[in-house]
Amino acid sequence: AQSVTQLGSHVSVSEGALVLLRCNYSSSVPPYLFWYVQYPNQGLQLLLKYTSAATLVKGINGFEAEFKKSETSFHLTKPSAHMSDAAEYFCAVSRRDSSYKLIFGSGTRLLVRP
Amino acid sequence: DTAVSQTPKYLVTQMGNDKSIKCEQNLGHDTMYWYKQDSKKFLKIMFSYNNKELIINETVPNRFSPKSPDKAHLNLHINSLELGDSAVYFCASSQDAGLAGITDTQYFGPGTRLTVL
Repeated sequence: AQSVTQLGSHVSVSEGALVLLRCNYSSSVPPYLFWYVQYPNQGLQLLLKYTSAATLVKGINGFEAEFKKSETSFHLTKPSAHMSDAAEYFCAVSRRDSSYKLIFGSGTRLLVRP
Repeated sequence: DTAVSQTPKYLVTQMGNDKSIKCEQNLGHDTMYWYKQDSKKFLKIMFSYNNKELIINETVPNRFSPKSPDKAHLNLHINSLELGDSAVYFCASSQDAGLAGITDTQYFGPGTRLTVL
């Protein structure tokens, strides 16, 4: 069965520091991969997605993620954290066949210290 | 204009009651979803409709019944509410249903926080 694991339910960084949020998937065939962000009391919003050949994907707000097949990973990074990045981040996967659904990870809460 | 809207935003009710949550999208999308987010922020698909046809029905109790009167609307009716139904319910939409895997962006509504007392 396909699944997605996010390591670390909470990540705390200082403003201006590197952000690294981890996501690993388990699937014999590399799935489509997504990162969504949820700000407090709001719905989810797409940050970026891996659905084609380019393994380094750039998203909104300066975030990017790299698909690494050998490591079955799709970690999210941002060079310099901003206070406004504080939110819950979800990694999600979709199988490359008749799936119709996204499987979400358990989420990582990003805290940004001034 | 709000792309995906839900009403109500908050819903507080007693056990055993029946309630409905409404969802509308003005994006012209063909596919709509209902998700449940529990108190630990875990997000799980409940239902999906494509062109008013049900295509995903996860292991959800029969007390939950989605209804799609047209492509722009997907409502969720819940009978005999239980304490465990307390959660935030999100509606979402996308253009494509993902027959060969989901690649389309899903657009989420602001959520409806349901509290069952």
